[in-house]
Amino acid sequence: SQQGEEDPQALSIQEGENATMNCSYKTSINNLQWYRQNSGRGLVHLILIRSNEREKHSGRLRVTLDTSKKSSSLLITASRAADTASYFCATDARSGGSNYKLTFGKGTLLTVNP
Amino acid sequence: NAGVTQTPKFQVLKTGQSMTLQCAQDMNHEYMSWYRQDPGMGLRLIHYSVGAGITDQGEVPNGYNVSRSTTEDFPLRLLSAAPSQTSVYFCASTSGQGGDQPQHFGDGTRLSIL
Repeated sequence: SQQGEEDPQALSIQEGENATMNCSYKTSINNLQWYRQNSGRGLVHLILIRSNEREKHSGRLRVTLDTSKKSSSLLITASRAADTASYFCATDARSGGSNYKLTFGKGTLLTVNP
Repeated sequence: NAGVTQTPKFQVLKTGQSMTLQCAQDMNHEYMSWYRQDPGMGLRLIHYSVGAGITDQGEVPNGYNVSRSTTEDFPLRLLSAAPSQTSVYFCASTSGQGGDQPQHFGDGTRLSIL
């Protein structure tokens, strides 16, 4: 079953606008990660936020985490056509002992129109 | 550094055939995993390994075998290919065993089962 679910499934904006994607998850986590996937390529790590953090920035990316609502958001400011990609959130869930499994959502397809 | 290398990039099989998808990483990561990505389903974990000689099942392990004889390599074997295994397969590696480090992905193997 999916742990994280992104919303919306698809988002289309104009260059220069901001894009916001949301992720909701079901069980308690230690960390939440966001990844980008360009068409036909593997996933690329964007940012990791720990459960004791509320906000994190990396360049034009801003991630927030609300553990009480079990949700996270990814904001891309001043979007560019090159930001066109699918974006996934991933959460860790302990699977007994010290092993963990990273569970991905279904992703948000972002299209930035020039 | 090459990162995570997957071979082949494309493969067409007939139902009932077997094959091995190769994955190699040169980052000395202990943790490696295999995912499949299907349209509308996001990434689903097939098998993972926390070190040489140690493997465990993920969310969708049926029909697949793995082994980990070295730190660098983590092959995925399809025992008797079925059309339901048509998918894009991604291998990933990360340092440590917790979800507090980014995963590094290969570019995928696109597999079609006829």
